[in-house]
Amino acid sequence: GENVEQHPSTLSVQEGDSAVIKCTYSDSASNYFPWYKQELGKRPQLIIDIRSNVGEKKDQRIAVTLNKTAKHFSLHITETQPEDSAVYFCAAREAQGGKLIFGQGTELSVKP
Amino acid sequence: DSGVTQTPKHLITATGQRVTLRCSPRSGDLSVYWYQQSLDQGLQFLIQYYNGEERAKGNILERFSAQQFPDLHSELNLSSLELGDSALYFCASSANARGGLTDTQYFGPGTRLTVL
Repeated sequence: GENVEQHPSTLSVQEGDSAVIKCTYSDSASNYFPWYKQELGKRPQLIIDIRSNVGEKKDQRIAVTLNKTAKHFSLHITETQPEDSAVYFCAAREAQGGKLIFGQGTELSVKP
Repeated sequence: DSGVTQTPKHLITATGQRVTLRCSPRSGDLSVYWYQQSLDQGLQFLIQYYNGEERAKGNILERFSAQQFPDLHSELNLSSLELGDSALYFCASSANARGGLTDTQYFGPGTRLTVL
């Protein structure tokens, strides 16, 4: 089955700096890669996703890149703000069945 | 608000007991997924239902079971509870089981289960 590794587990940046979170996956047949943001005690919220037929996707300060050959994808947040502080999870969707396999999460702290 | 609802919000019970968690998917979504999130842990996939039928199973204990009803709401039953079952339980829904533009999973607010 699919396995997703996420790094780093914690990330601390100054407000205004960029943050990058990286994930690798094992199943080359996986075709959909969402990123979720989870604030303490709240639900994971989808912030951006990318499908395997696209190499990059951007939404304002957030971008995701996908390298299918290397089987890794990354989340880029520019001009970080304190409200970006949260745990971010990457996931890969198994080609067979549709379930998401999540990475271990990255706790992002943006210091004002 | 994702449109996915879960009840109850909080549940406190004792070891050995049985509880039922309920999830209503977004209107029109046919798939329901259950996840467990323990303290400082990621999201562990438990089980998926699609239009009333079990579709995929993850690391779900034999003490746990689930079902999806004709109106598409789902229930997760946890029995013979142990201290280690204390966690946040999320359900998510998506339009279909796989593929296309409708495979986004939207999460409910979760049920926090505390086993004493």
